[in-house]
Amino acid sequence: AQRVTQPEKLLSVFKGAPVELKCNYSYSGSPELFWYVQYSRQRLQLLLRHISRESIKGFTADLNKGETSFHLKKPFAQEEDSAMYYCALRGTGANNLFFGTGTRLTVIP
Amino acid sequence: GAVVSQHPSWVICKSGTSVKIECRSLDFQATTMFWYRQFPKQSLMLMATSNEGSKATYEQGVEKDKFLINHASLTLSTLTVTSAHPEDSSFYICSARIFAGTGELFFGEGSRLTVL
Repeated sequence: AQRVTQPEKLLSVFKGAPVELKCNYSYSGSPELFWYVQYSRQRLQLLLRHISRESIKGFTADLNKGETSFHLKKPFAQEEDSAMYYCALRGTGANNLFFGTGTRLTVIP
Repeated sequence: GAVVSQHPSWVICKSGTSVKIECRSLDFQATTMFWYRQFPKQSLMLMATSNEGSKATYEQGVEKDKFLINHASLTLSTLTVTSAHPEDSSFYICSARIFAGTGELFFGEGSRLTVL
């Protein structure tokens, strides 16, 4: 069975401070991991995926298979980063995504 | 990016009535669409996978007779909540994956159902 855990429901940081949103997963195979973001009154949108190994809006996430983690990081938080962040997993050969419970990030000016 | 549109975005109905929510992929074809349900301050829970031209695949615990899903074309899937009750009040979100695409899911804006 697959499981995605985001231990922090709420996270507040000051503008310019580093931010890390935690995500741990449980899956027996080789999953694909994603981070989705939902800004206020907007739809969910893809932020980044582990296979791309890219940095989007200054965010990065590294898949750590040993720790089964996919934490989202940004060195200097901005006010516009305030949003709901969801970590998601797709199993091998699957179509759908399983989501974590989400972390609401608030960046304090 | 690809656009997925849901309609209506907000609906209020009386208990016992049925409500239909549409999910359209506007600029791409989607052989597979997904319906999620989101309770306040909780995560998205996958309800079912909607396959064009065939029956939907429901997740465990989701009543297929209550949540009727139809995927009649490559750009449209509908979710009908039958004989709605107040406990069905929720935020319903659909998403679609581009056929032979990168695997990214594109989400609709969601439909908020309130059953009185």
